[in-house]
Amino acid sequence: AQKITQTQPGMFVQEKEAVTLDCTYDTSDQSYGLFWYKQPSSGEMIFLIYQGSYDEQNATEGRYSLNFQKARKSANLVISASQLGDSAMYFCAMREGVLYNFNKFYFGSGTKLNVKP
Amino acid sequence: GAVVSQHPSRVICKSGTSVKIECRSLDFQATTMFWYRQFPKQSLMLMATSNEGSKATYEQGVEKDKFLINHASLTLSTLTVTSAHPEDSSFYICSARQEYEQYFGPGTRLTVT
Repeated sequence: AQKITQTQPGMFVQEKEAVTLDCTYDTSDQSYGLFWYKQPSSGEMIFLIYQGSYDEQNATEGRYSLNFQKARKSANLVISASQLGDSAMYFCAMREGVLYNFNKFYFGSGTKLNVKP
Repeated sequence: GAVVSQHPSRVICKSGTSVKIECRSLDFQATTMFWYRQFPKQSLMLMATSNEGSKATYEQGVEKDKFLINHASLTLSTLTVTSAHPEDSSFYICSARQEYEQYFGPGTRLTVT
């Protein structure tokens, strides 16, 4: 079974509008971490936001927020006030294993976001 | 945040030759480094986990004799693609773990002609 599922291969959003990128995950671990990364055409992986499995509040980082619904095993990324520079691939990822000794990191298939002017 | 570098950023080599890619953690010590491979418009696939001073752990389907990984120090891991073939052309990304985070290098684009 897929550990991380991103069902939207591509998304379009109008500049200045908000957009939600979907991510569901599968794990039997109690302790895990969820990440979102942005990958522009240059290829570098840019960390956006992190949510720990025990965090009760949704993570926020500037225009990024993570809608964490633990019972549904979903960790959707919300980008508010989209900008042209947000156009990129977005990957959801999960860390399993002991917090300070993890050795597995799973990535979803990615969502290509295009922001229209 | 922590910085991870990769060298070279791009490399073109001829079929049958070997190429080495370096991954360095610049401002922290990394006991564990990861090597990923990414084909165009696809996700990152973990190739192997490299622990300093010990043999790398390869994911299923990854040929350990073809993709040699050495993690000789706490700041350097190398990936050597031996006897490269055109199908090895890909984007290779390393990451280094610090506590519960991993920091990615900028990637190396390998083209085998």
